[in-house]
Amino acid sequence: KAGVTQTPRYLIKTRGQQVTLSCSPISGHRSVSWYQQTPGQGLQFLFEYFSETQRNKGNFPGRFSGRQFSNSRSEMNVSTLELGDSALYLCASSPASTSQTQYFGPGTRLLVL
Amino acid sequence: AQKITQTQPGMFVQEKEAVTLDCTYDTSDPSYGLFWYKQPSSGEMIFLIYQGSYDQQNATEGRYSLNFQKARKSANLVISASQLGDSAMYFCAMRELIDQGGKLIFGQGTELSVKP
Repeated sequence: KAGVTQTPRYLIKTRGQQVTLSCSPISGHRSVSWYQQTPGQGLQFLFEYFSETQRNKGNFPGRFSGRQFSNSRSEMNVSTLELGDSALYLCASSPASTSQTQYFGPGTRLLVL
Repeated sequence: AQKITQTQPGMFVQEKEAVTLDCTYDTSDPSYGLFWYKQPSSGEMIFLIYQGSYDQQNATEGRYSLNFQKARKSANLVISASQLGDSAMYFCAMRELIDQGGKLIFGQGTELSVKP
C-alpha cells in the first residue's frame, strides 16, 4: 500500500505571497492532519479533517486554512506569507478520526524569503 | 505547561547496545495514547510504537519497547541492539481522547547518535 504523499516537496516563496500544499492519504484513510515543524516551536498541530469536515484546529492565525476533498485528499493554504512561516509542513493520515496511530508523509519544506 | 517533556536533547550509544529515551507527560484525561516517532534527516516521521493508557502490558515492536509507568506519567522508549540506522531524532507524542480528532502533542525530541 502506498504511503502518504505530499506535494511539492520543496517550495520557495516571498513574503506576502500565498501557497497551497497538497496531501494524499494512504488509500482507505479518511482522516488527515497537518503539522508545522520549526526549530524554535517544534511540532505543532494545525488542523485535522475527516470526511471533508474540519474536526479540530490548532492555535494558528486565520491565514492558515485547509480543506479536504471527497477522495480524502487534503490541501492546506497559507495566505500572506511571513518569514516565520518557513517550516517543514507534515501531513498525517489515519483510517478514522478516532483511530490512534497517524502515519506521516515526507513533508513539504517551505522557505519564505 | 509542557504536556510532553523529553529531557535529553541528545544521546550517544554504542552500536549493538541498548538505549533508553525518556519521556514524561502531563494530562488529566483518563483516556490517552502515547506514541514514539523517529525522524531521520530526510524529515519523514516514522511511527515506531503505541501505548494506550488502559493497556496493561508494555508495548513492544521488534527492537522497540515502551516502558510505561502510569503512576509516574512516564513512557520511555527502549531500543535494544542499536544499529547505525537508528541515528535520528526521536519524538514522544500524546493524544488525549477529549480532543475530538487527531491532535498529537509532541515533545521537543531527542537526537540519538549511534557510534560504530
